[in-house]
Amino acid sequence: GGIITQTPKFLIGQEGQKLTLKCQQNFNHDTMYWYRQDSGKGLRLIYYSITENDLQKGDLSEGYDASREKKSSFSLTVTSAQKNEMAVFLCASRDRGERLFFGHGTKLSVL
Amino acid sequence: GQQVQQSPASLVLQEGENAELQCNFSTSLNSMQWFYQRPEGSLVSLFYNPSGTKQSGRLTSTTVIKERRSSLHISSSQITDSGTYLCAMAGNYKYVFGAGTRLKVIA
Repeated sequence: GGIITQTPKFLIGQEGQKLTLKCQQNFNHDTMYWYRQDSGKGLRLIYYSITENDLQKGDLSEGYDASREKKSSFSLTVTSAQKNEMAVFLCASRDRGERLFFGHGTKLSVL
Repeated sequence: GQQVQQSPASLVLQEGENAELQCNFSTSLNSMQWFYQRPEGSLVSLFYNPSGTKQSGRLTSTTVIKERRSSLHISSSQITDSGTYLCAMAGNYKYVFGAGTRLKVIA
């Protein structure tokens, strides 16, 4: 079996700060995703990547950048953190059977 | 755009009771998946079920593509079943998630 590792688990930032979240997978999956989850709500797609160096915008891409320099890693940057923002960011990868596998998430709080 | 509606939004069960969770899709789907989200936030895949019925222990998933719906049946609920159940539909590379059903099982 494989695993998806997200770092950090908790991230506290200041308003206006640029913040980077990292995700590593050892499944050797081609496609990876970044989702945002706000309290009590479903997951919304920020960015996804079909293969190394590919980037595709999701519904919520404004205010974020992403990078896929290696097949195994997918990073997400919050370009300017918003005051009082609180959300969980979930990274996932997809196997060839279209099943999604998730990391444990990064919880973001902005002071 | 594509939408996924889940019902009920929340549910409280006495331990041992059964539950039926519903997921309805606004468009035709290629496949769908059910997830369990633990109280601390991590997601576990329960079923990848593009069509038909699948069972795993006390859980049964039934997807009817023509009717654009899927259900998750939990039998003999346990306190450890508490958490949020999410469904997602897949189209090409994108997955659209419902808002989830929050389940609480009490003794």
